[in-house]
Amino acid sequence: EIVMTQSPVTLSVSLGERATLSCRASQSVRNMLAWYQQKPGQAPRLLIYGTSTRATGIPARFSGSGSGTEFTLTISSLQSEDFAVYYCQQYNNWPPYTFGQGTKLEIK
Amino acid sequence: QVQLVQSGAEVKKPGASVKVSCKASGYTFTAYAIHWVRQAPGQGLEWMGWINPGNLNTRYSQRFQGRVTITRDTSANTAYMELISLGSEDTAVYYCSIATSAFYFDYWGQGALVTVSS
Repeated sequence: EIVMTQSPVTLSVSLGERATLSCRASQSVRNMLAWYQQKPGQAPRLLIYGTSTRATGIPARFSGSGSGTEFTLTISSLQSEDFAVYYCQQYNNWPPYTFGQGTKLEIK
Repeated sequence: QVQLVQSGAEVKKPGASVKVSCKASGYTFTAYAIHWVRQAPGQGLEWMGWINPGNLNTRYSQRFQGRVTITRDTSANTAYMELISLGSEDTAVYYCSIATSAFYFDYWGQGALVTVSS
């Protein structure tokens, strides 16, 4: 099973600033990496797939990069609606599909 | 538009079983596998298994093998996830989801809270 590790656990950033979230896989997942945003009481929402492709309707301020075992989600200019928990997920080696433990993005 | 509507919250006693439903609409039900993902309170996401509604193929996470069964009723466009031998550690929100292109999850149900308590 591939273990996904996200860092940091909590990230405090001011409105309008850039946020950088990291995700590391225990072995290569090529580019088979997705990112999700989850707000309290809601289901996760797909943001990014294939490491860097934004899902339908996702603003351009969200971008993804990386390959192999190291991945990054960048939010270029934080808006109030971006404060949430973010999860990465690998879909290269399955079963099981595995998620990171999440990064909580909070307002500084 | 694609919609996945799940059954409501349940409270179960330890040792019991639970069956959660997921009614799909807005697409051809047999076109995409339906996955189940759970989330314990304050915790992350955990994939449990999937069913291909078209050919009935299923795959389960080894962690739940023998305790989870995913089925479907094509006449009702509904998938079901049954979990047996419940323990307190099974208290979680259970989501159904579909992956329309690959194996990332682009549509989700609203979740169903299952509470296991004596």
